[in-house]
Amino acid sequence: GAGVSQTPSNKVTEKGKYVELRCDPISGHTALYWYRQSLGQGPEFLIYFQGTGAADDSGLPNDRFFAVRPEGSVSTLKIQRTERGDSAVYLCASSSSPTSGPTDTQYFGPGTRLTVL
Amino acid sequence: QKEVEQNSGPLSVPEGAIASLNCTYSDRGSQSFFWYRQYSGKSPELIMFIYSNGDKEDGRFTAQLNKASQYVSLLIRDSQPSDSATYLCAVNDQFPFSGGYNKLIFGAGTRLAVHP
Repeated sequence: GAGVSQTPSNKVTEKGKYVELRCDPISGHTALYWYRQSLGQGPEFLIYFQGTGAADDSGLPNDRFFAVRPEGSVSTLKIQRTERGDSAVYLCASSSSPTSGPTDTQYFGPGTRLTVL
Repeated sequence: QKEVEQNSGPLSVPEGAIASLNCTYSDRGSQSFFWYRQYSGKSPELIMFIYSNGDKEDGRFTAQLNKASQYVSLLIRDSQPSDSATYLCAVNDQFPFSGGYNKLIFGAGTRLAVHP
């Protein structure tokens, strides 16, 4: 595809359930980021992957959140024991060259709107 | 905790006017700055970035950076109704730039409304 894709576009779940959110980055992009955007706020950094490894997971709010990227392309964000406060839009972004400097451009996917009832 | 502050707006301007969007940041060592546009229900899209003091122009958009005042702005000339969106200011969290990646700290955004 031409851009970053994310599935599902919407996810409604009940408190305490487990959810998986998928991100398919732009082909060839080695850097992948997850952000979370709550209503009326800007995106908040969660985790960064370079290839298969999570190089920076400092933004994950707690150990209920986990993300993987086993083959260095598609990434899955996993949330265990969901809470109402987890409701937000989860955005994925990718970039072509993380070493291109501090102006490396991130391209965002359409996001997954997660609602925890 | 590094912070990026923006006036939430809405900033209302008439069609054809100049819209001025402002952003301040807390970390004096921040090196690069980004403006994203986000239409309602859509994902952010990059308008431009700036890393040197002064002005940077791209079409109808001009970014202005003043590191001494820790201030970055975006000017939109000849504003159009299609420019109505939320504008997000973002700052690179990596200081000094290390690790080879671009961890962004976003402001909450300013909502711009351009009326005919």
